[in-house]
Amino acid sequence: QITMKESGPTLVKPTQTLTLTCTFSGFSLSTSGMGVGWIRQPPGKALEWLALIYWNDDKGYRPSLTSRLTITKDTSKNQVVLTMTNMDPVDTATYYCARRAPVVGQRLDYWGPGTVVTVSS
Amino acid sequence: DIVMTQTPLSLSVTPGQPASISCKSSQSLLWGDGKTYMYWYLQKPGQSPELLIYEVSSRFSGVPDRFSGSGSGTDFTLKISRVEAEDAGVYYCMQGIQLPSTFGPGTTVDIK
Repeated sequence: QITMKESGPTLVKPTQTLTLTCTFSGFSLSTSGMGVGWIRQPPGKALEWLALIYWNDDKGYRPSLTSRLTITKDTSKNQVVLTMTNMDPVDTATYYCARRAPVVGQRLDYWGPGTVVTVSS
Repeated sequence: DIVMTQTPLSLSVTPGQPASISCKSSQSLLWGDGKTYMYWYLQKPGQSPELLIYEVSSRFSGVPDRFSGSGSGTDFTLKISRVEAEDAGVYYCMQGIQLPSTFGPGTTVDIK
């Protein structure tokens, strides 16, 4: 059974750095082709893909946020960490992590329940 | 980035009736291996998105067969043959041929 779960602060102040952790089970991020991605959803809005890390440590970022995002993995702990610097109220959103299936394409097949992050002073 | 558009943006359906959602991409989602990397997700109220359809027309594990996907190139359709109350939520299409993956704006399906 594959599970994903996000964790991190619920409230951050403007200009602070957000650190979110995705803890997963049921698969290994050392498996060829595997990946874990982050997607966010501002209140009442659509989904927005943020970043992805692959089994071989290759990474992809949303171009408009590249300077602010860093994604890393700890394969031994089954965790992926996303950091976002210089947080702004427009970054208020529910943040999801999802497994990128070990196939060609970008199939996000299992998602966590999401974690709500509010940016406010 | 590839832009995904959906129509309609909202839909109200009577249980037992069919429903259809269209998705268009700003460029072809056909890859060199002959597959088309287009997905459909359903986000039920208060929940995270769940994968319904991958590679245009393949149903994900556990997805009822009343859901079907079709299309090619830049034009795609999700059909629900007979809508049930549990199908309410927001449906998103997503392209997976190029990073960043991009989602459509979503289609809200309301059950009458």
